[in-house]
Amino acid sequence: DTGVSQNPRHKITKRGQNVTFRCDPISEHNRLYWYRQTLGQGPEFLTYFQNEAQLEKSRLLSDRFSAERPKGSFSTLEIQRTEQGDSAMYLCASSLRDEKLFFGSGTQLSVL
Amino acid sequence: QQQVKQSPQSLIVQKGGISIINCAYENTAFDYFPWYQQFPGKGPALLIAIRPDVSEKKEGRFTISFNKSAKQFSLHIMDSQPGDSATYFCAASTGGSQGNLIFGKGTKLSVKP
Repeated sequence: DTGVSQNPRHKITKRGQNVTFRCDPISEHNRLYWYRQTLGQGPEFLTYFQNEAQLEKSRLLSDRFSAERPKGSFSTLEIQRTEQGDSAMYLCASSLRDEKLFFGSGTQLSVL
Repeated sequence: QQQVKQSPQSLIVQKGGISIINCAYENTAFDYFPWYQQFPGKGPALLIAIRPDVSEKKEGRFTISFNKSAKQFSLHIMDSQPGDSATYFCAASTGGSQGNLIFGKGTKLSVKP
């Protein structure tokens, strides 16, 4: 499978815990994006990387959220001190330069 | 403030019919307008996209109509099939970017056999 891979597919955590998600983009893609999608809504942009540089962050990305893309390959999104409002589908997407976006199947986070 | 307004929220169409989904925007700086299709448990997938220098783009059974003066664009699905049943999202971006997208709230399409 040469698509965008996200792990885990599902994560259940208790409020206050930290969680980390991983995204493996399509291998030659230099841009990587994180989006969040809640039930009945469209995806909302969180942040994006060009290679290892994080170039843009949405106001939605509070200081409890941090994303990294070491060496410009896979990326991780960490949420510290999770809150119930963080429950959502976290989508990763990649693209070659500024071309078509390819989305992964997402990580569904449930905060109890 | 919702920057891209999508309607209807849900749509039921008979097999073989035409499905029409509409979007309206306010920001005149938007210059890229894609439509995405999403099946349950999957991420969105790009269907078709248009830039404001053309009024219509067709790819197979999918057509985007774009009205720059009205700040509206729509997706037409001709000969709708049960396999087209999914949620459809319009989106928009500025600066020609295909990545930093603002999405509508989605339209859940059901095509009845």
